[in-house]
Amino acid sequence: DTAVSQTPKYLVTQMGNDKSIKCEQNLGHDTMYWYKQDSKKFLKIMFSYNNKELIINETVPNRFSPKSPDKAHLNLHINSLELGDSAVYFCASSQGGLADLTGELFFGEGSRLTVL
Amino acid sequence: GEDVEQSLFLSVREGDSSVINCTYTDSSSTYLYWYKQEPGAGLQLLTYIFSNMDMKQDQRLTVLLNKKDKHLSLRIADTQTGDSAIYFCAESGKLSFGAGTTVTVRA
Repeated sequence: DTAVSQTPKYLVTQMGNDKSIKCEQNLGHDTMYWYKQDSKKFLKIMFSYNNKELIINETVPNRFSPKSPDKAHLNLHINSLELGDSAVYFCASSQGGLADLTGELFFGEGSRLTVL
Repeated sequence: GEDVEQSLFLSVREGDSSVINCTYTDSSSTYLYWYKQEPGAGLQLLTYIFSNMDMKQDQRLTVLLNKKDKHLSLRIADTQTGDSAIYFCAESGKLSFGAGTTVTVRA
């Protein structure tokens, strides 16, 4: 049973297109996250949602719009894709929120986005 | 800076010990973590240490914590090819991971 699953695993698209990545967790966690890992392996937080509410938005262009229909799902929609958006995007979840984050983050396998 | 700092690369011979170092930012962090990212996968928690401890041992892994210097290290004894991965240190209450240390185990 996959704890945090994201689809698609690979996504190749043209500049200017709009695409979405979906994420689901079956751990019953309250908080979900989107991370971006660049080609140098630098892993940066993008967004955090707690019980469907946005709690962190780390200076991400507004072309990126997360949506959380329920606390088990956090999708990432990207408009007008640019070359610099090419990266691996990771979804993660945790039991607590940021204030009591003493436990583990559970990561999905990643979605590799290539913008041509 | 806001992020932890680690050396980017470490090459080690199979069977030797690996030591990965990390300088973290917040002396009030309650827990310090080590995550492992294998090729093509997400991060997985490898081990952690509570801030009032100096050392934690877990089979081949030894975590050392120097709170005064905000320095954390991970020692892997008898390094195996399966230990080739990126290792990230992290602090409780903070969500960024930096670039990690890419460990390459050579035969």
